[in-house]
Amino acid sequence: QKEVEQNSGPLSVPEGAIASLNCTYSDRGSQSFFWYRQYSGKSPELIMFIYSNGDKEDGRFTAQLNKASQYVSLLIRDSQPSDSATYLCAVNGDSAGNMLTFGGGTRLMVKP
Amino acid sequence: NAGVTQTPKFQVLKTGQSMTLQCAQDMNHNSMYWYRQDPGMGLRLIYYSASEGTTDKGEVPNGYNVSRLNKREFSLRLESAAPSQTSVYFCASRTRQGQIYGYTFGSGTRLTVV
Repeated sequence: QKEVEQNSGPLSVPEGAIASLNCTYSDRGSQSFFWYRQYSGKSPELIMFIYSNGDKEDGRFTAQLNKASQYVSLLIRDSQPSDSATYLCAVNGDSAGNMLTFGGGTRLMVKP
Repeated sequence: NAGVTQTPKFQVLKTGQSMTLQCAQDMNHNSMYWYRQDPGMGLRLIYYSASEGTTDKGEVPNGYNVSRLNKREFSLRLESAAPSQTSVYFCASRTRQGQIYGYTFGSGTRLTVV
């Protein structure tokens, strides 16, 4: 069973701080890694993806991938109350790239 | 607007009743998926369709059937609903962004089985 693990939280950070969200995965063959944001009562929306070791930056978001250690993280700089949501980590679940396996999500709360 | 459309948005069923959840995408995508989401358990794959005319089981297929009616539509059927099937159901289609494929999700169907 391929697994993707996340701390369920809640992770509480003050406004303006850096939020760090972590995810580990079990399948060493995984190729692509995704972060989805899901507001309460809404559907997930893709915010970042990464497939190479190292960092990938997009605005206030940075995704970090370490395939040797099998973890992927998401950093949110200058956190805003509007960033309060559940963040889902997803991993390419098969070699054909047809399926994503999702973690349980981390709930982030940014306090003004 | 382009995207994934799910109907209905809410549904209450009695145990043993049947229903079909509808999903349609207008982005000409080949692959479509049905997930369920339960509190604290993330999204779990029920069934997927890699292309028109094909369907495959995911992680939690028991109690469900699917039909890929055409390239646009992928429906999920509960033949005899059980309280354990109370969940939020999301349909998704596979979206290409450069060399990476992600998912575009529908707005979800909130199903309660009493």
